[in-house]
Amino acid sequence: GENVEQHPSTLSVQEGDSAVIKCTYSDSASNYFPWYKQELGKGPQLIIDIRSNVGEKKDQRIAVTLNKTAKHFSLHITETQPEDSAVYFCAAVSASKIIFGSGTRLSIRP
Amino acid sequence: SQTIHQWPATLVQPVGSPLSLECTVEGTSNPNLYWYRQAAGRGLQLLFYSVGIGQISSEVPQNLSASRPQDRQFILSSKKLLLSDSGFYLCAWSVDSVGEAFFGQGTRLTVV
Repeated sequence: GENVEQHPSTLSVQEGDSAVIKCTYSDSASNYFPWYKQELGKGPQLIIDIRSNVGEKKDQRIAVTLNKTAKHFSLHITETQPEDSAVYFCAAVSASKIIFGSGTRLSIRP
Repeated sequence: SQTIHQWPATLVQPVGSPLSLECTVEGTSNPNLYWYRQAAGRGLQLLFYSVGIGQISSEVPQNLSASRPQDRQFILSSKKLLLSDSGFYLCAWSVDSVGEAFFGQGTRLTVV
């Protein structure tokens, strides 16, 4: 069945440095790729997304890239801050079916 | 504005007891509805999704079932809970196939 793999599972970076999280997906029909941030005890919230006809999208310190040929997409967070500490999930969507990656726990060291 | 209600927030149930978790959405029509389970420290596992009343897609064979009796109501059920059913259950909705999904606050289920 459809699968989304996400790496790394944990990531610790120094405050101010950049963080990169990578995902691959298996369903070639996927056409929408959102990223969610989940804080402890809460539901995930969308932080950025990209559609299949776009290669890159940026929103302030957050950017996402998509390589449809290779079925790869990545999240880039620059100038990390303490409030960026959370669990991040990538997802691939095909015909309303949303499959999530396994999550990355990002910790920002002061 | 649209809102999603999921209850209860926490639930402790004995093994073998039934389960009913309810999720309702306000402020939108014909949403896509989803149930996910998140084990401690793990990812989001898609359990069921629905693109319309009476249309339920099951992703993981197990002792859970889902129903959509009304357009904006999604119910997750079990006749007999197992210890392995413990986890954080999240309901979500979206308006189309390429749009943001909005999550409820979740139900933390502990089966004892």
